[in-house]
Amino acid sequence: DTAVSQTPKYLVTQMGNDKSIKCEQNLGHDTMYWYKQDSKKFLKIMFSYNNKELIINETVPNRFSPKSPDKAHLNLHINSLELGDSAVYFCASSQGRDREGEKLFFGSGTQLSVL
Amino acid sequence: AQTVTQSQPEMSVQEAETVTLSCTYDTSESDYYLFWYKQPPSRQMILVIRQEAYKQQNATENRFSVNFQKAAKSFSLKISDSQLGDAAMYFCAYRSMYSGGGADGLTFGKGTHLIIQP
Repeated sequence: DTAVSQTPKYLVTQMGNDKSIKCEQNLGHDTMYWYKQDSKKFLKIMFSYNNKELIINETVPNRFSPKSPDKAHLNLHINSLELGDSAVYFCASSQGRDREGEKLFFGSGTQLSVL
Repeated sequence: AQTVTQSQPEMSVQEAETVTLSCTYDTSESDYYLFWYKQPPSRQMILVIRQEAYKQQNATENRFSVNFQKAAKSFSLKISDSQLGDAAMYFCAYRSMYSGGGADGLTFGKGTHLIIQP
């Protein structure tokens, strides 16, 4: 079974549209994240979500909003998509900072292409 | 804020040889974790090795080992007996041990593209 799964793997859409990427983890982890990997492969954290506390990276536009229906899911909603949003988006989870808990487990990524 | 620097955008090594990937970081914290992640063309992020800053002993995982120099804030990855399957992007990453505000998680370097020559 896949530990962290995200769908879809590929998403092609027009500028101005609204889209969502889903993420689910079956590891029982407390914390989930969204990362953005740009065209130069640089990975940057967008959000972390722990026990209903959302921490947002200050550089993330408010068109991006994570939504967590329960501890195992953290979906990413993007409104009014722009060309610069094209990237690979990774979901990840971790148990916390206890020994062995600080490791992040990543999903396989969603490649978003905005035309 | 912590920063992670990988000064080698690309490295090339002959199959079966040894290669070392460099990583330096900047932090004012004394306790933290360091990681190397591998990203093959499949895009999956795979944890290669981890190091706890309070441990002096360098971490080892089979053909992968690190040279952790805490005072120098250096964390290099050595891959011995390189194999074709080792070809990938390698990312060095830092994680604070304590919650200090801001988005949690890993801070990544910009990556090193490792090419394995047959």
